[in-house]
Amino acid sequence: AQTVTQSQPEMSVQEAETVTLSCTYDTSESDYYLFWYKQPPSRQMILVIRQEAYKQQNATENRFSVNFQKAAKSFSLKISDSQLGDAAMYFCAYRSYYNNNDMRFGAGTRLTVKP
Amino acid sequence: NAGVMQNPRHLVRRRGQEARLRCSPMKGHSHVYWYRQLPEEGLKFMVYLQKENIIDESGMPKERFSAEFPKEGPSILRIQQVVRGDSAAYFCASSPPFSEQYFGPGTRLTVT
Repeated sequence: AQTVTQSQPEMSVQEAETVTLSCTYDTSESDYYLFWYKQPPSRQMILVIRQEAYKQQNATENRFSVNFQKAAKSFSLKISDSQLGDAAMYFCAYRSYYNNNDMRFGAGTRLTVKP
Repeated sequence: NAGVMQNPRHLVRRRGQEARLRCSPMKGHSHVYWYRQLPEEGLKFMVYLQKENIIDESGMPKERFSAEFPKEGPSILRIQQVVRGDSAAYFCASSPPFSEQYFGPGTRLTVT
């Protein structure tokens, strides 16, 4: 069974600095998707970034980028120029390519941004 | 195009009562998923439905929980005889076939 592990329950970063959130996963599949979701205090799940496993190029969305290491089964999120609004819980998620409902979430990392 | 709608946003029930949570998927989405989030934890898959069919309910507790997605109207997650341990945030997501899941704002259930 696929599992997703986020080993950092909490992280903090100074405003305007860069922070990296870690995520590892376990799977026997070769095709899959990986996601980072942000959950602010409103509890809405907001998709931050998505990576297809068959793509070697790391996904980027403005200040958010990932370091996808398929062999190591690692998928870290880098937030550059951190802003106060980035403070939230961040969840890493895995979804099977062939099984649309097979989506697994990590336990989350709470990010605090210090002014 | 409105996003995934869930109501109510907050629901308080006494032990033993029934809780009904509603989810209206995005327009054009025929797949609905329910997840549960306990405090300080990630989302856990409960059930996957298409119109009038339960496709995968492997994450649903065996008793007291049921879900439906009728031909007309929203998807309903029903919890009978609620207990304190059912207190959690329940999220619904919807998608077209084999595509991105879009999440609703969640329903926070509190059992007193």
